[in-house]
This record gives sequence, C-alpha cells and structure tokens, in this order.
Amino acid sequence: DIQLTQSPSFLSASVGDRVTITCRASQVIGSYLAWYQQKPGKPPNLLIYAASTLQSGVPSRFSGSGSVTEFTLTISSLQPEDFATYYCQQLNSYPLTFGGGTKVQIK
Amino acid sequence: QVQLVQSGGEVKKPGASVKVSCKASGYIFTNYGISWVRQVPGQGLEWMGWISAYNGNTNYAQELQGRVTMTTDTSTSTAYMELRSLRYDDTAVYYCARDKPSTGATDYWGQGTLITVSS
Repeated sequence: DIQLTQSPSFLSASVGDRVTITCRASQVIGSYLAWYQQKPGKPPNLLIYAASTLQSGVPSRFSGSGSVTEFTLTISSLQPEDFATYYCQQLNSYPLTFGGGTKVQIK
Repeated sequence: QVQLVQSGGEVKKPGASVKVSCKASGYIFTNYGISWVRQVPGQGLEWMGWISAYNGNTNYAQELQGRVTMTTDTSTSTAYMELRSLRYDDTAVYYCARDKPSTGATDYWGQGTLITVSS
C-alpha cells in the first residue's frame, strides 16, 4: 500500500498568513493526488484534484502543486473559515489511502 | 442538485452486522462510482472501498476483505455497505461519496452515519 505522510500534523496560524502543507508519498503516484478540507461534524470537502486542479467553487486562495512523490497545498491568505483539518489522498492505486491530516488552528 | 443521503446511526453488538444505505439524487446514478470512507471519532479518514454503479465492480481495502460487501440498487439509485462480524474498533462515522469522473477523487459526500459497536 502507498503511505502518505503529511506535515505538519498541527499548524497554528493567523488570519492573513500564507500556509503550506506537505504530503509525501511512499511511492511514485504521478499527479494522482487530491486534497480535502474537513470541519468538525462535517464530511470532507474536495479542494484540489490531479495535484493542482481547483475544484469548482473552491476559492482561488487554495492551490496545489507537486508531482511524483512530493505535493503541497497552499492557502495564500488564511481566512477565518479555513480553520479546519486538511487531508491528502492518493488516487494512483488501490487502496486509495489518505494522509494522517493537518489541523490548522488559530494562533 | 447532487445529494447523497445516508441512513441513520445505529448501535450494534460485537459480532453483529450493519448495512448502511446511501441514496443518490440529482445525477445519473450509473454514470459514477461510489466510495466508502470511515472515520473513527477524533481520528483520520480511512478508505474502505469502491463500487461501480454501472456494473457493480468492487475494490475493497485489504483489511476489510471478507467482512465488507458493497452493493448498489440501480432501480432506487441507492448504494449499500454491509459490514459483518463487527468489532469495537469498527465504531466510526461511515461516509459514502461520489467519484469525480476520470479523477478518482470524490466530489460529493453523504452526511455520514455513526455506527457504534457496544455490548
């Protein structure tokens, strides 16, 4: 199985900050990676797929980059509604594993 | 609009089985796959498996093989996930989600169903 390692696990930031989350895959996955945002008590929400394609309706302050085994999710200017947990998921091969998550908290 | 509406939460005893339903609306059911993901309260996401609503093909997580069965009923646009021989560590919120075509990502999710395994 492909393992995904997210870093950091926790992140404290302020409104307006630029935030970067990293996802590292244990094997080559090309660009087959998605990013999700999850708020407490809610299902995940798709932000990015194919490593860098913004899902319809997602604000442009979110962006994704990377390929092969190293990927990043960037929030260019953190907004109050962005405090949540973020997960990456590899879509290259079954099982479609998730990273452990990054919780973005208010500083 | 696309909606996935799941059945309500249940409490089950260890060793029992549970079947969670996921009724889809707002799109052509057989054109998409359905993934099932679970989340132990306070923990991360775990991919359980996938089913094609077109032909019923499935792919399950290795650790659930033999205990999980995913099915669809195209006449009612409903997907089902049955988990057998329940254990305490199966206590989790179970989500169904629609696959985004040609990407593997999941773009619409059900509201989640809490399954509690307790004696």
